[in-house]
Amino acid sequence: RKEVEQDPGPFNVPEGATVAFNCTYSNSASQSFFWYRQDCRKEPKLLMSVYSSGNEDGRFTAQLNRASQYISLLIRDSKLSDSATYLCVVNLRTGGFKTIFGAGTRLFVKA
Amino acid sequence: GAGVSQSPSNKVTEKGKDVELRCDPISGHTALYWYRQSLGQGLEFLIYFQGNSAPDKSGLPSDRFSAERTGGSVSTLTIQRTQQEDSAVYLCASSTPANRDSYEQYFGPGTRLTVT
Repeated sequence: RKEVEQDPGPFNVPEGATVAFNCTYSNSASQSFFWYRQDCRKEPKLLMSVYSSGNEDGRFTAQLNRASQYISLLIRDSKLSDSATYLCVVNLRTGGFKTIFGAGTRLFVKA
Repeated sequence: GAGVSQSPSNKVTEKGKDVELRCDPISGHTALYWYRQSLGQGLEFLIYFQGNSAPDKSGLPSDRFSAERTGGSVSTLTIQRTQQEDSAVYLCASSTPANRDSYEQYFGPGTRLTVT
């Protein structure tokens, strides 16, 4: 089992739709969580951190469920420019320190 | 300000040759990471530098891979005797280290390595 798992998609949604992605992690020592966005043939960029209480940034909402070991990303009112791959990232401390990237979920928003 | 820069942007090399990839982190960032990403795959952690501490080399896939960071700034990733499976995009990231658990990593544009 991968340490961080995401549905690879692709998710194909019309403009204006609401779309949600989940990410599960296997190690309970995971300490911090992020969503990154990666456009085709570009480097990843931080979209948002994920806090235990849940957090919102404009049209984006991130939630963490430690008991079930998953995080989610909700995108409301999708824009064409939201088309990208969304990477779930987990930092965990197990003796040493590791940053683990999920393989990503691809999103296509269509007019 | 200037972001993370990497050079070269593209590198084509013959199997068996050595290559060096360079990363210039954001000024003042003491934490530096190397990752690689194969086509259609997620990021694979390679190595982490933090200030003057011993680097975390736990992600290096073989002893053909090594990295240095001189003066706490520029880093070089060296791959000896390259193999075709080394073909990937090599990404460098830097961050401020106030709290390793919660900081943002800023990525460079990557070096696309092709081993023929």
